[in-house]
Amino acid sequence: DTGVSQDPRHKITKRGQNVTFRCDPISEHNRLYWYRQTLGQGPEFLTYFQNEAQLEKSRLLSDRFSAERPKGSFSTLEIQRTEQGDSAMYLCASGDLDNSPLHFGNGTRLTVT
Amino acid sequence: AQKVTQAQTEISVVEKEDVTLDCVYETRDTTYYLFWYKQPPSGELVFLIRRNSFDEQNEISGRYSWNFQKSTSSFNFTITASQVVDSAVYFCALSVPESNDYKLSFGAGTTVTVRA
Repeated sequence: DTGVSQDPRHKITKRGQNVTFRCDPISEHNRLYWYRQTLGQGPEFLTYFQNEAQLEKSRLLSDRFSAERPKGSFSTLEIQRTEQGDSAMYLCASGDLDNSPLHFGNGTRLTVT
Repeated sequence: AQKVTQAQTEISVVEKEDVTLDCVYETRDTTYYLFWYKQPPSGELVFLIRRNSFDEQNEISGRYSWNFQKSTSSFNFTITASQVVDSAVYFCALSVPESNDYKLSFGAGTTVTVRA
């Protein structure tokens, strides 16, 4: 197992464009999380999936953000009409149902110009 | 609501010095979990330790040790005889099981720089 994989590693986009990120969790992990990390800060929770069900969304997740995990395996995070304030590192993490520690991917660094 | 405070923004030490990272947490829950993660320049968060609220025993793993004190709501982390490879950002985090999502609430992190 190669751990949590995120794609792309870096994304530069112009304001107003849509972007989509992908996360492939560790295969047997049921829980999947998206976090956002800005410079000098700790990761902030965005949303949580248990299998294919999106069970919780942070108020940080505006209506321009949408996340899916259609078959309970990989997940996508889409940001529509990007704004400069969306520039951040987007981290994905996965874990077992038994509250084992989360495993994080390397993240996708988004820069909105 | 859960809150984690890491008051130290940056710490710089010379190799072989010890370094202690402070972490103070707030929660109304009696059952909770505390974590430390390391984030090297590559960006991936690496799990170091998890502690539950009922286990106050201190732990040592190689050059790493952790001091959990419920009386002061602190979960401090010490690196003994630091090495250049220890240079990273270290995050303390808290989760509570009440909502069954076990999401982590992170502190702002402490950047450790170990100079040769």
